[in-house]
Amino acid sequence: GQNIDQPTEMTATEGAIVQINCTYQTSGFNGLFWYQQHAGEAPTFLSYNVLDGLEEKGRFSSFLSRSKGYSYLLLKELQMKDSASYLCAVNNAGNMLTFGGGTRLMVKP
Amino acid sequence: GAVVSQHPSWVICKSGTSVKIECRSLDFQATTMFWYRQFPKQSLMLMATSNEGSKATYEQGVEKDKFLINHASLTLSTLTVTSAHPEDSSFYICSASRNALEAFFGQGTRLTVV
Repeated sequence: GQNIDQPTEMTATEGAIVQINCTYQTSGFNGLFWYQQHAGEAPTFLSYNVLDGLEEKGRFSSFLSRSKGYSYLLLKELQMKDSASYLCAVNNAGNMLTFGGGTRLMVKP
Repeated sequence: GAVVSQHPSWVICKSGTSVKIECRSLDFQATTMFWYRQFPKQSLMLMATSNEGSKATYEQGVEKDKFLINHASLTLSTLTVTSAHPEDSSFYICSASRNALEAFFGQGTRLTVV
């Protein structure tokens, strides 16, 4: 079966750093995606990891360890607009994305 | 980047009526499109996989006779919610794949059944 776990909610302070973890157990693996979703809007693409290691893109970085079935999304220099849900999704066999439950991040002043 | 257009963005309908939602890939051909449903404060739940020219594959627990999916061309898939009821009120999102690595989402459709 497919199982993707991430924390339900997190709170952080503006300007700080926050790490959102995701663990997965899926049949087949063609990469792991992170999406940002503001309330009432469709998800927007943040990052994609298919090989182990860290991918950095501006204030956002994503890490993957395939042997551990583990990824994290790191957000630096948090801004109020970063308050959103962050979805971890695994691309398994057949181009299908399986989503985790999402992590609602609240950034406080 | 690739563009997926979903229409309408929001719709209000009366209980018992049917609603059609369109999903178009504007600048690429999508042999596979996916339909998701998202309830408030929950993640996306895959409803069905739509393949061009063939019947959709529905996830367990999704009524295929209630959620009709048609993928008549490589750029268009439609989801029709038949005999809608208030419990069908949700956010419906489509996505289209250009290859094994990329999925592009439509803007989503907020359906409210009154």
